[in-house]
Amino acid sequence: DAGITQSPRHKVTETGTPVTLRCHQTENHRYMYWYRQDPGHGLRLIHYSYGVKDTDKGEVSDGYSVSRSKTEDFLLTLESATSSQTSVYFCASLGAGGNTGELFFGEGSRLTVL
Amino acid sequence: SQQGEEDPQALSIQEGENATMNCSYKTSINNLQWYRQNSGRGLVHLILIRSNEREKHSGRLRVTLDTSKKSSSLLITASRAADTASYFCAFLNSGTYKYIFGTGTRLKVLA
Repeated sequence: DAGITQSPRHKVTETGTPVTLRCHQTENHRYMYWYRQDPGHGLRLIHYSYGVKDTDKGEVSDGYSVSRSKTEDFLLTLESATSSQTSVYFCASLGAGGNTGELFFGEGSRLTVL
Repeated sequence: SQQGEEDPQALSIQEGENATMNCSYKTSINNLQWYRQNSGRGLVHLILIRSNEREKHSGRLRVTLDTSKKSSSLLITASRAADTASYFCAFLNSGTYKYIFGTGTRLKVLA
């Protein structure tokens, strides 16, 4: 399995504070993704990256920004957290095979915004 | 929304029975994949079917794809209690690397 780790795994914060979630992969995968998972909605794509410094928006990108300064790290930032951003966040990277590759997921980061 | 729709949302069956879940999507796709998620964990890849394939098997899994109807189904045969999990379809919009997921089916297999 691809080595993908997310940190922190759990975080409680207050409305209006900035939050950064980190995703680290050891497989030298080019493509990386951030999703949020909410009951009834499955996984929704926030942002993805197709290389160092190359990112693009997903379906639910408002209120989120990302950065990728190194192949192995993909950061998700909530500039000013809101209660609607309470969710479980998953990072994934795309394995070899291009558009037939499989996604490898981290274990998730549970964020609670009070 | 580009998100895929899955049905049923939840399914409860007895051990040994077959489980079928369906995925519908709206865009052109390169391939469609199915993932499994155990409670509180990340998703794990199960099987991939390419857009030019109609059916694929892997162990107790059978996947079909009908691109004319923009739909796919996952069949788990002879289910076991350990198959209890949520199942998601996922697909790439053609020409992009945006992986879009369905809303998921929660499967409960009763021993």
